[in-house]
Amino acid sequence: DIVMTQSPDSLAVSLGERATINCKSSQTVLYSSNNKNYLAWYQQKPGQPPKLLIYWASTRASGVPDRFSGSGSGTDFTLTINSLQAEDVAVYYCQQYYSAPFTFGPGTKVNIK
Amino acid sequence: EVQLVESGGGLVKPGGSLRLSCAASGFSFNNAWMSWVRQAPGKGLEWVGRIKSKTDGGTTDYAAPVKGRFTISRDDSKNTLYLQVNSMKTEDTAVYYCITVFETSGPHWGQGTLVTVSS
Repeated sequence: DIVMTQSPDSLAVSLGERATINCKSSQTVLYSSNNKNYLAWYQQKPGQPPKLLIYWASTRASGVPDRFSGSGSGTDFTLTINSLQAEDVAVYYCQQYYSAPFTFGPGTKVNIK
Repeated sequence: EVQLVESGGGLVKPGGSLRLSCAASGFSFNNAWMSWVRQAPGKGLEWVGRIKSKTDGGTTDYAAPVKGRFTISRDDSKNTLYLQVNSMKTEDTAVYYCITVFETSGPHWGQGTLVTVSS
């Protein structure tokens, strides 16, 4: 199974500042035949289902503000939230959908400093 | 518009059974590989299992903690995915989501259905 790790566990960022979350997979999630990284990022607020932010490691989902961006390839990935807003307070998860079981990272809690 | 609507959750006693459903619309369900994911209260996300499309063999894969107790199936004539859960344990208490992944738009999730296992 591919193990997903995230760092940090939590972070507090001032409004308008940048938040950076890292995700690492124990094996590559880059599919060589199509050069796509099977890696997604989600935002989850209390009482709500996860909301897809980023797929294929760097493609923003429809309606997601452009302050959210994803980068990385292979086994190391980053979610960046530029100019943090109050509504961005949430838990963020990465997930690999390269091979079953489609494992998730443990989550990173983002708060306002 | 892609829609995934889960149903069938509720309160079940330990040892009991439940069948969850996920009604799909807005895409070609018979060609889709479908998965179930769950989230226990206050915990992270856990992938439960997957079923491939019939054209790709219709086979299933399960997470280790649920293998042997959970069964995923599909009825392509009804555009519906199922999760049969047997010998339920308190640790199966969770919100259960169905999801699918598209090449063009990535993973899509339903809103989830809550299952509570308690005596």
